[in-house]
Amino acid sequence: EAQVTQNPRYLITVTGKKLTVTCSQNMNHEYMSWYRQDPGLGLRQIYYSMNVEVTDKGDVPEGYKVSRKEKRNFPLILESPSPNQTSLYFCASSLSVTDYTDTQYFGPGTRLTVL
Amino acid sequence: AQSVSQHNHHVILSEAASLELGCNYSYGGTVNLFWYVQYPGQHLQLLLKYFSGDPLVKGIKGFEAEFIKSKFSFNLRKPSVQWSDTAEYFCAVKDTDKLIFGTGTRLQVFP
Repeated sequence: EAQVTQNPRYLITVTGKKLTVTCSQNMNHEYMSWYRQDPGLGLRQIYYSMNVEVTDKGDVPEGYKVSRKEKRNFPLILESPSPNQTSLYFCASSLSVTDYTDTQYFGPGTRLTVL
Repeated sequence: AQSVSQHNHHVILSEAASLELGCNYSYGGTVNLFWYVQYPGQHLQLLLKYFSGDPLVKGIKGFEAEFIKSKFSFNLRKPSVQWSDTAEYFCAVKDTDKLIFGTGTRLQVFP
């Protein structure tokens, strides 16, 4: 089944404790992206990757890191989480964002709480 | 850069009522527009999308949207809602290398 998976689905952590949220897709998609969703703000892009070893900042990259060593995986890293990073995070992928007909597929979401 | 406005933040309807959710984008030219739905506790799913051609786009679950270029709008419609349509709805526009999302409209449908 074609899908985007994220782990963990729920995470409660404390300020300053490094964490990684994994994202994996099995559709051989080139483009992957991370969003955070906050009430009243919709979805905002954190980072994206056009292909392996190519990553770029989105609209709200501060406090986050990503890597794209393999096509299928795009982990989101919070080196020193803070309470303002408490949010719902979505990973998404698409075949090629430059193809104007392309559609993004979303993972199930990771609800992160930073105390 | 593109931006998207959804003016209805929270809509409450009874079953069988008609639905129209507003979506406006900021500037013209070639636009790729989307509506996504997020059911409670679930991830975003694509409802429908517009790239070119017929401005009236039909999606899944009886939803449709009309692209009106002169109004920079892409409103979502459904003639008769069901309780199972209770969800949050997001309009989005493609901008070069990403999707720009609106802030979402929360729809509650009561039996």
